[in-house]
Amino acid sequence: ETGVTQSPTHLIKTRGQQVTLRCSSQSGHNTVSWYQQALGQGPQFIFQYYREEENGRGNFPPRFSGLQFPNYSSELNVNALELDDSALYLCASSKRQGFTEAFFGQGTRLTVV
Amino acid sequence: AQSVTQLDSQVPVFEEAPVELRCNYSSSVSVYLFWYVQYPNQGLQLLLKYLSGSTLVKGINGFEAEFNKSQTSFHLRKPSVHISDTAEYFCAVSASGAQKLVFGQGTRLTINP
Repeated sequence: ETGVTQSPTHLIKTRGQQVTLRCSSQSGHNTVSWYQQALGQGPQFIFQYYREEENGRGNFPPRFSGLQFPNYSSELNVNALELDDSALYLCASSKRQGFTEAFFGQGTRLTVV
Repeated sequence: AQSVTQLDSQVPVFEEAPVELRCNYSSSVSVYLFWYVQYPNQGLQLLLKYLSGSTLVKGINGFEAEFNKSQTSFHLRKPSVHISDTAEYFCAVSASGAQKLVFGQGTRLTINP
């Protein structure tokens, strides 16, 4: 059973650029959620994808968008990067039916300069 | 909507001493409760969870937590800590069956020899 994998592990972008982060869900899981964890804070829910559609969104602007693919993997896209977007981005996968827990990846550390 | 308050941002303890990390939550509906641990530069690992049933929940690495509905608390305890327990601990809540997790701000547990 493979766990949740995220890529890349680290990246540095310039303010105003766009970035794409990737996540492969755990085998057997059909739901992917993305979280932003700023330094010294708890993770905050960005959005969730199920059946390739957004299914719930937190308090994040539209420049944060995502995709889910038929194999349940997912992408998080952030446009017009701001300095405050610097954070650890965590992907979590789970089963839609009978949810009991979410499994997290190692995260992508994004630094915006 | 749910919210979580972790009452201590930092908890220093000596090795082999007992520890309690406090978590209170707010919700108008029934909830699932979770404790996650985060080691430096890593993702989140599930320590334990309360879904229903017995209010005393045992998890990995010798941790346990007790769900107290009347006090809306879910405190994490360990009778004897080790240096390897040094990490950030997050309490999280979700509406029962819902996929979105709401996290507290985290408690940094520091173990002194």
